[in-house]
Amino acid sequence: GIQVEQSPPDLILQEGANSTLRCNFSDSVNNLQWFHQNPWGQLINLFYIPSGTKQNGRLSATTVATERYSLLYISSSQTTDSGVYFCAVTQGAQKLVFGQGTRLTINP
Amino acid sequence: EPEVTQTPSHQVTQMGQEVILRCVPISNHLYFYWYRQILGQKVEFLVSFYNNEISEKSEIFDDQFSVERPDGSNFTLKIRSTKLEDSAMYFCASIYGTYEQYFGPGTRLTVT
Repeated sequence: GIQVEQSPPDLILQEGANSTLRCNFSDSVNNLQWFHQNPWGQLINLFYIPSGTKQNGRLSATTVATERYSLLYISSSQTTDSGVYFCAVTQGAQKLVFGQGTRLTINP
Repeated sequence: EPEVTQTPSHQVTQMGQEVILRCVPISNHLYFYWYRQILGQKVEFLVSFYNNEISEKSEIFDDQFSVERPDGSNFTLKIRSTKLEDSAMYFCASIYGTYEQYFGPGTRLTVT
């Protein structure tokens, strides 16, 4: 089955810094989603981005489908950005396959 | 904006008891999913459901588990005889049209 690898596994930054999270996947996909898991465990859908670039406030994402990777950018980090970020992919209307996540810690 | 809802938010049960986790997907969605996340681990697929039948299930989804869409709006996951290792966060998701999956807030199941 398709493999999803996220890097780095852990990232610690000071408030105000910028960060880049990476997601590599092993096969072609027609869905890629980025999630933020908040302290209550909820999965917050950040982007649905099977290809191209999207921006939402301080967050943006780029997926290069032909090279099988996606990047999530967080600019001017805030402490509320802390948590685990998951990338997940699928082929068709099938199960999402999640990566192991990147744990982001933003220190004040 | 329509959203997927799940109840209860937290359930505590004793080992060996049956639990039913409930989900209300977005009304015009056609594909439904259950995922689980053991504390500190990644989210894992359990089962997908389409046209009133299971379309795919994982190795985790053994005979202890069952799913149902009893009334055209609810989507339930039943665990017949819970084990300690069933303690996890359970997420329901649904899709329509595009392949973007919409997730509910999750049910935290604690088996004691």
